Amino acid sequence: KQEVTQIPAALSVPEGENLVLNCSFTDSAIYNLQWFRQDPGKGLTSLLLIQSSQREQTSGRLNASLDKSSGRSTLYIAASQPGDSATYLCAALYDTGGFKTIFGAGTRLFVKA
Amino acid sequence: DTAVSQTPKYLVTQMGNDKSIKCEQNLGHDTMYWYKQDSKKFLKIMFSYNNKELIINETVPNRFSPKSPDKAHLNLHINSLELGDSAVYFCASSPTRDSYYGYTFGSGTRLTVV
Repeated sequence: KQEVTQIPAALSVPEGENLVLNCSFTDSAIYNLQWFRQDPGKGLTSLLLIQSSQREQTSGRLNASLDKSSGRSTLYIAASQPGDSATYLCAALYDTGGFKTIFGAGTRLFVKA
Repeated sequence: DTAVSQTPKYLVTQMGNDKSIKCEQNLGHDTMYWYKQDSKKFLKIMFSYNNKELIINETVPNRFSPKSPDKAHLNLHINSLELGDSAVYFCASSPTRDSYYGYTFGSGTRLTVV
């Protein structure tokens, strides 16, 4: 059974700090992995999408990596800002005879000014 | 110019009622989805349609019935609402049925059953 785990569930950091959010998945036969941001009461905003053949993707201050062999993806946020405060979700896509995406429960990030 | 739009944003209703949530996407995507986010924030797939064809139908009570009149619209009708149906329901779309290019989500519909 495929599972996606995000640890820690919550994280509080001072402004300006570089930080890493973790996403672990149990089945390495991943198709792609997508990182989202969810603000309170809002929908999910796509941040980065990494295909199974890729190792990392970058967008501005964000860098996401994918290591299938270890079943891990990380989201690196450089020079964090209070506006980065949100819940960050990772989602792993599998082809199990039909395509299915498994979401993690998210890491709630709070960046203190 | 919202990419994936859902209505209504909030829905408060009594047990036993029937309600519908509507979703529209203007991205030209082939595939649309309904996800449910429970109180613990887990997102779970409910249904998926590709070009009006149902392709994913997870274990969901048959009180929930999706309908896709065309590939840009996916509606969710819920009969005989129960307290446990309270959640946030998200509509999403992807360019292809394999979600190879990822998802675009709507802003969600917060359903509260009282």
